[in-house]
Amino acid sequence: DVVLTQTPSILSATIGQSVSISCRSSQSLLDSDGNTYLYWFLQRPGQSPQRLIYLVSNLGSGVPNRFSGSGSGTDFTLKISGVEAEDLGVYYCMQATHAPLTFGSGTKLEIK
Amino acid sequence: QVTLKESGPGMLQPSKTLSLTCSFSGFSLSTSGMVVSWIRQPSGKSLEWLAAIDWDGDKYYNPSLKSRLTVSKDTSNTQVFLKITSVDIADTATYYCAQGPFDYWGQGVMVTVSS
Repeated sequence: DVVLTQTPSILSATIGQSVSISCRSSQSLLDSDGNTYLYWFLQRPGQSPQRLIYLVSNLGSGVPNRFSGSGSGTDFTLKISGVEAEDLGVYYCMQATHAPLTFGSGTKLEIK
Repeated sequence: QVTLKESGPGMLQPSKTLSLTCSFSGFSLSTSGMVVSWIRQPSGKSLEWLAAIDWDGDKYYNPSLKSRLTVSKDTSNTQVFLKITSVDIADTATYYCAQGPFDYWGQGVMVTVSS
């Protein structure tokens, strides 16, 4: 199975600060169809995961544009440009290029 | 408006079969390209993809659990089911269903395996 390694595991930020989360894959996530099936999710406390980013860099419907995704191959980054209080929770990356789908271990964002 | 809702027994004993239902509205699983997945999350841990079924009835399983999983759908294409046989304490988790590509999730149902 593809292993997704997220760093850091815990991130503490002040309101307005910009932060980045890394997701490194054990294999390239570039599919033979030319797509890279890398997603980012936010799980707020007590809630279901919410998709933020799909196909590396595409913003999900209704997701604020302070969220952005980038990367290729095995290295990917989620950036939050100006953290807001509602951004606290656990962020997960997920890959769907290789079966079975796998998730990273999560990055917990705390607000200082 | 797309909504999904999971339902299940809440608690069951080890060695029993867990039966889960995902009831959804706002889309039809008969639409080409549509997929519904099952994912679970033990308390305080990350997410694990379990299985999926698509509009054509094709089924996909996580190999680590494949021998114990069965995913199916109803003929009206408004419900998807998951069965897990021979459960044990390690199957205690919140179980989610999600519409692919994971843009809509249910609220989750908590399942506890305990004697």
